Amino acid sequence: SQQGEEDPQALSIQEGENATMNCSYKTSINNLQWYRQNSGRGLVHLILIRSNEREKHSGRLRVTLDTSKKSSSLLITASRAADTASYFCAKGGRGSTLGRLYFGRGTQLTVWP
Amino acid sequence: DADVTQTPRNRITKTGKRIMLECSQTKGHDRMYWYRQDPGLGLRLIYYSFDVKDINKGEISDGYSVSRQAQAKFSLSLESAIPNQTALYFCATSEAGTGGTDTQYFGPGTRLTVL
Repeated sequence: SQQGEEDPQALSIQEGENATMNCSYKTSINNLQWYRQNSGRGLVHLILIRSNEREKHSGRLRVTLDTSKKSSSLLITASRAADTASYFCAKGGRGSTLGRLYFGRGTQLTVWP
Repeated sequence: DADVTQTPRNRITKTGKRIMLECSQTKGHDRMYWYRQDPGLGLRLIYYSFDVKDINKGEISDGYSVSRQAQAKFSLSLESAIPNQTALYFCATSEAGTGGTDTQYFGPGTRLTVL
């Protein structure tokens, strides 16, 4: 399977704490992206990191990529109740699969007030 | 107005019926995708199209067909619906030639129930 796999499947924290989600993959990638989904709604793109990048920031989001370990992590700092959602990593295909994304099963994040 | 729209938003149908889900976009993107989402399984690609004359099967195309009527429209059909096609269906678009970023923009989804 070319899917990314997120870990943990579920994460429950208090407001103000940091949330870290991990994603592993098996085959080489063009890029790795993180998406957010509020309950039953469409996915929203959060951040993209290219295969030649190691770290990227966007507001309270920090993404790292370790291509030697085929893994990525998404850190949300100072979490808020509004961050409660499912978070998916998506691996960008390369070569014959360029233009496709392979989604993991997601991490359900719950942030308690 | 939403950039990617899907109709209907909810549909309940019976086994054996033909169903069409429609997707329209105003983003001007060449690439369009259909996914299904089942609880605990993430998103799985059904079909995708990189331009009007290009249609490709995804991971789980059996039981589905698609039509790319125009750059802005991509329809998904279930010729004879069965209960295990009950799922949340998403359409997405992306822009070609973006240096390989492939960021996708999703519609709000169609919740389909097959009885």
